[in-house]
Amino acid sequence: NAGVMQNPRHLVRRRGQEARLRCSPMKGHSHVYWYRQLPEEGLKFMVYLQKENIIDESGMPKERFSAEFPKEGPSILRIQQVVRGDSAAYFCASSPPVPGSIGNTIYFGEGSWLTVV
Amino acid sequence: AQTVTQSQPEMSVQEAETVTLSCTYDTSESDYYLFWYKQPPSRQMILVIRQEAYKQQNATENRFSVNFQKAAKSFSLKISDSQLGDAAMYFCAYRSDINNDMRFGAGTRLTVKP
Repeated sequence: NAGVMQNPRHLVRRRGQEARLRCSPMKGHSHVYWYRQLPEEGLKFMVYLQKENIIDESGMPKERFSAEFPKEGPSILRIQQVVRGDSAAYFCASSPPVPGSIGNTIYFGEGSWLTVV
Repeated sequence: AQTVTQSQPEMSVQEAETVTLSCTYDTSESDYYLFWYKQPPSRQMILVIRQEAYKQQNATENRFSVNFQKAAKSFSLKISDSQLGDAAMYFCAYRSDINNDMRFGAGTRLTVKP
């Protein structure tokens, strides 16, 4: 799982600013997931992407949050006009492209901690 | 959407003893994958064990084993010979075989007493 790279690891933003979190999946992985973890809580699914496609964004707040996974480059989770309630750990995970394959496991990055002051 | 339920927010076990963490899930699919992840204080998510739904045999990884009851939609994790390093949050997860969607339970915090 060390292969999923997230940056920045820690990000501090003032209320109203924008936060951009980046995720580079493991080599050969074309599926990316974003999860949010509030303090002392479990992981909440946010969005699931393939290259250039959003597959499932049912966990994304309707406003201020967006995600993309372009053909080239990392996946980006963007939070506009951040509020204190956005303070959380944001985990990215990636998986291989073939559904149903044996060992079909997602691998996590080390997380990005967003603090809104 | 599938849901995953972990009914034990906290559990504790004496070092060297055995503990079982519960997990149930709700799905209408017949093929899927189940996982247990461990999150130590470092907050990194570490895969502990996985189970394919089409396999009847319970998965085992050293001191970790599962009791997979497909009809009951239950997937418990047994940790044998508990060690201090096992102390962590444990998350049960379900992954669809159709769309690769993956959902997590709320977690169980395991404390290991020396």
